[in-house]
Amino acid sequence: DSGVTQTPKHLITATGQRVTLRCSPRSGDLSVYWYQQSLDQGLQFLIQYYNGEERAKGNILERFSAQQFPDLHSELNLSSLELGDSALYFCASSSYRGGYTFGSGTRLTVV
Amino acid sequence: EDQVTQSPEALRLQEGESSSLNCSYTVSGLRGLFWYRQDPGKGPEFLFTLYSAGEEKEKERLKATLTKKESFLHITAPKPEDSATYLCAVQAPINRNTPLVFGKGTRLSVIA
Repeated sequence: DSGVTQTPKHLITATGQRVTLRCSPRSGDLSVYWYQQSLDQGLQFLIQYYNGEERAKGNILERFSAQQFPDLHSELNLSSLELGDSALYFCASSSYRGGYTFGSGTRLTVV
Repeated sequence: EDQVTQSPEALRLQEGESSSLNCSYTVSGLRGLFWYRQDPGKGPEFLFTLYSAGEEKEKERLKATLTKKESFLHITAPKPEDSATYLCAVQAPINRNTPLVFGKGTRLSVIA
């Protein structure tokens, strides 16, 4: 157990739907990062939050959004889903000591 | 734009056959270079961080080295349990929370 918890582990949904992925960071970590991993693209950075505020944005689609709550857990919202959104979504957290710890991911399948 | 290129894409080794994985990077300054191991369907697991050219770090059968343009992950006498995808990532020197930029990884298969 890495200390970073992601739910659900698997999600199957239809095109056009909306889903929410949840991440609880390692205790004491203020930064949360979301990454998407598909077979041909590798790990792509989506968005970062630090202590509740958006800190950096990567290749995140406008259909996707995220937030970090006062208890530091984060949610990634994916809407108007397309077949191409099928991927593994990872959350990672980091502390002032540096270094990333990843969760075990959510496998999203859009049918 | 920061870029990371890993080679080869896939590598098949016999048990005990040593080899090296390559990670070439282009970054506007380097705060750190990271190696991760990823098993199928699981999250990346941290292996090493290297900060400056000439630095080396070791863990069991793995040794990571860093130059100004690339890093190598040397695997000595690998075992089947070393089979995994090895990911390289770089971090620009803004601060320790700057997002990592990953390469696509090298899929290593070690055959008994």
